[in-house]
Amino acid sequence: GAVVSQHPSWVICKSGTSVKIECRSLDFQATTMFWYRQFPKQSLMLMATSNEGSKATYEQGVEKDKFLINHASLTLSTLTVTSAHPEDSSFYICSARDVTKGYGYTFGSGTRLTVV
Amino acid sequence: AQSVTQLGSHVSVSEGALVLLRCNYSSSVPPYLFWYVQYPNQGLQLLLKYTTGATLVKGINGFEAEFKKSETSFHLTKPSAHMSDAAEYFCAVSDPPGTGNQFYFGTGTSLTVIP
Repeated sequence: GAVVSQHPSWVICKSGTSVKIECRSLDFQATTMFWYRQFPKQSLMLMATSNEGSKATYEQGVEKDKFLINHASLTLSTLTVTSAHPEDSSFYICSARDVTKGYGYTFGSGTRLTVV
Repeated sequence: AQSVTQLGSHVSVSEGALVLLRCNYSSSVPPYLFWYVQYPNQGLQLLLKYTTGATLVKGINGFEAEFKKSETSFHLTKPSAHMSDAAEYFCAVSDPPGTGNQFYFGTGTSLTVIP
């Protein structure tokens, strides 16, 4: 139980294009999902909190116009990296919590984004 | 605000030896504490968590951790290391329920197991 599916697992795109990453809770509903960014050999940095049916809450320093988050349903949140640049290359991970199964968060398998 | 410190960004142990990964936290309220493992190019997998109750918590793959309030620590241990334990380990602390949903991750400890 409490499975979070993230897609795609890896993507390569050209500079200036946009990339969408999906995060799905497969067997539970998640009113809140979280998006993290991880640089090589570093920890996870919270980018934003995705709230179903409302605007996302972004952490300080994260450009909301560049990292568009949409949480249109209780099982799906998407992160779109707009006008991608090489410095956006990173590992992006989402997480969600199944409130019916105690206090714990499940993480997606991550998306490796490479911008060339 | 919560924070987490993991002492030692790299730990090497011999196969069969004790694994000890250190984690200290700071918190103004009783924290919820977690250990996650990450294999290359993968997401995070929960090893164990402490919320309330027994301070010695047993997790998957033979790992356990003990919450010591007096030392503000939550160190991860395993009696005998296996090659498959080589990975990145993250300690995390979260706000208590009702006060927020944030996780605060430590900087991670890379565990190498020497055959």
